[in-house]
Amino acid sequence: SQTIHQWPATLVQPVGSPLSLECTVEGTSNPNLYWYRQAAGRGLQLLFYSVGIGQISSEVPQNLSASRPQDRQFILSSKKLLLSDSGFYLCAWSHGSGRAVEQYFGPGTRLTVT
Amino acid sequence: EDQVTQSPEALRLQEGESSSLNCSYTVSGLRGLFWYRQDPGKGPEFLFTLYSAGEEKEKERLKATLTKKESFLHITAPKPEDSATYLCALRWRNAGNMLTFGGGTRLMVKP
Repeated sequence: SQTIHQWPATLVQPVGSPLSLECTVEGTSNPNLYWYRQAAGRGLQLLFYSVGIGQISSEVPQNLSASRPQDRQFILSSKKLLLSDSGFYLCAWSHGSGRAVEQYFGPGTRLTVT
Repeated sequence: EDQVTQSPEALRLQEGESSSLNCSYTVSGLRGLFWYRQDPGKGPEFLFTLYSAGEEKEKERLKATLTKKESFLHITAPKPEDSATYLCALRWRNAGNMLTFGGGTRLMVKP
């Protein structure tokens, strides 16, 4: 069965510091990978998605970036965090093709920028 | 204009009091509608996929239905452990595998 991991689970960072969040998927090959941000009491906002190694699409212009160095690894980064970057960050995966395109989510990372 | 709207934003029920959550959408070309359950501080958990009007899916006390413009998540005789936020998400014809999420309904079931 497939498993998705995210770390760290929680993070408190000062404004202006760098960020690196990691997501890995086990038990599947060539998945589509996604980064979402969820503000308190709000829905999910898609930040980035990837259909393959090195292929990243951005949905929202911001000071965040994403990379996919390996097939089942997805990284969210920032060079300088802003207060507005605080939130709950979720990684998700789906099959790369076919009708079954449900997205399966990781446990999330709670980021607080102080 | 929001493409996916969930209502109500919050719903309080007594244990055993059945009700329905609504997910309505305004864009044509639906390729799939998904329901998720999210507990506080956790990632969303996949519940159902619906592809066409008239389709229904059931899991324990939950039943999801789909029409041409909305979906309902019916909760029959809810228990306190059904308390969570329920999210719907849609896949559009020209959006590849990307999903658009609604704002969610926060369900609280009191014993």
